Amino acid sequence: EPEVTQTPSHQVTQMGQEVILRCVPISNHLYFYWYRQILGQKVEFLVSFYNNEISEKSEIFDDQFSVERPDGSNFTLKIRSTKLEDSAMYFCASSVLKNRDRATDTQYFGPGTRLTVL
Amino acid sequence: DAKTTQPPSMDCAEGRAANLPCNHSTISGNEYVYWYRQIHSQGPQYIIHGLKNNETNEMASLIITEDRKSSTLILPHATLRDTAVYYCIVRLYNNAGNMLTFGGGTRLMVKP
Repeated sequence: EPEVTQTPSHQVTQMGQEVILRCVPISNHLYFYWYRQILGQKVEFLVSFYNNEISEKSEIFDDQFSVERPDGSNFTLKIRSTKLEDSAMYFCASSVLKNRDRATDTQYFGPGTRLTVL
Repeated sequence: DAKTTQPPSMDCAEGRAANLPCNHSTISGNEYVYWYRQIHSQGPQYIIHGLKNNETNEMASLIITEDRKSSTLILPHATLRDTAVYYCIVRLYNNAGNMLTFGGGTRLMVKP
């Protein structure tokens, strides 16, 4: 069964450094997402991406964050200058968006990247 | 999207049915009920969704009350691997956004 994959599984970085988290969505999917989960807290939406542009973003997704689909398979999340509070699990998800019906458009999640900012 | 209310935790004996309730009393006619689960900090896993009819797949059954104000996710024969946090989410048909809003969910502990 096709799966969303994410690399690396764990990233440790120093505060102020740039990090890039990578995701390979399911191959025929058109809609891509990033969510994050700070330890012990809820899963929070960051951004969605469709047709090579950001579709929605939350208040968390400020100017320090950016997303890109650099080629036909990868989807990346970049954090320009990491802060301690960026430490979290970051989940990529994708969906096929059949018939443009968002309510029945099931999102499939990857296993996550644990980002630790020291 | 409508708000959901779930008990924070539940226990279930291995091999028995796990019935996880969700209250969504403000649900509107076009909102779907979705269930996801998260096993120990792994990525959320899709389980099932429905609008008004009961649904069943290889993982679970979803029972939605006639007035649609509540639903129950049923895992017919819970195993230890079903220990997870289960999230009930409602989503509006053709809403402008496509994000999922996760609440606190129900932490299901399946015990031997």
